[in-house]
Amino acid sequence: DVKVTQSSRYLVKRTGEKVFLECVQDMDHENMFWYRQDPGLGLRLIYFSYDVKMKEKGDIPEGYSVSREKKERFSLILESASTNQTSMYLCASSQGTTNEKLFFGSGTQLSVL
Amino acid sequence: DQQVKQNSPSLSVQEGRISILNCDYTNSMFDYFLWYKKYPAEGPTFLISISSIKDKNEDGRFTVFLNKSAKHLSLHIVPSQPGDSAVYFCAASANNYGQNFVFGPGTRLSVLP
Repeated sequence: DVKVTQSSRYLVKRTGEKVFLECVQDMDHENMFWYRQDPGLGLRLIYFSYDVKMKEKGDIPEGYSVSREKKERFSLILESASTNQTSMYLCASSQGTTNEKLFFGSGTQLSVL
Repeated sequence: DQQVKQNSPSLSVQEGRISILNCDYTNSMFDYFLWYKKYPAEGPTFLISISSIKDKNEDGRFTVFLNKSAKHLSLHIVPSQPGDSAVYFCAASANNYGQNFVFGPGTRLSVLP
């Protein structure tokens, strides 16, 4: 069974802290994505990566960075967490160029106090 | 302004009846459409897709209808089962690349026994 694993289900951080959200997939997928989900707004793309060490900005990259040193792992970094980054963060992966079908992790609910 | 809208935040249906979830979009360039289903504490899972060359796609109890002139699609679930209770997200894109899909805010479906 395919699997996208996010390291934490719940995370509570303080304003100004550096936060790492980790995501690992076991499907040998080329593409990986980070979304945030907020009530009434659906899923919004933060960053995606189509290969190791490659990254592209999504719709809302401000305040975030990413790292993909290995094919299976895609990290989302909040350099200095702020309260408006309190959200549900979802990692996803997909295979190939026409990659409509995304496989999602179960999400990390981040609260920034 | 949201490009993909799901104007019903929630929907309740009796078991065995039809569930109809609606989705409207504003971008006439959108040609690919997906539905994802999300259970609590789990990531979204791909349900069904349709492209603009078709106006209907069926998969078991799930049928998606596309009315491109009205910029409207709908997901029909017949018959509805309690296990269908979940949040359903509609997503749309001008191409078939995962990073370009725009998600709606979701509709929470409750199927009552």
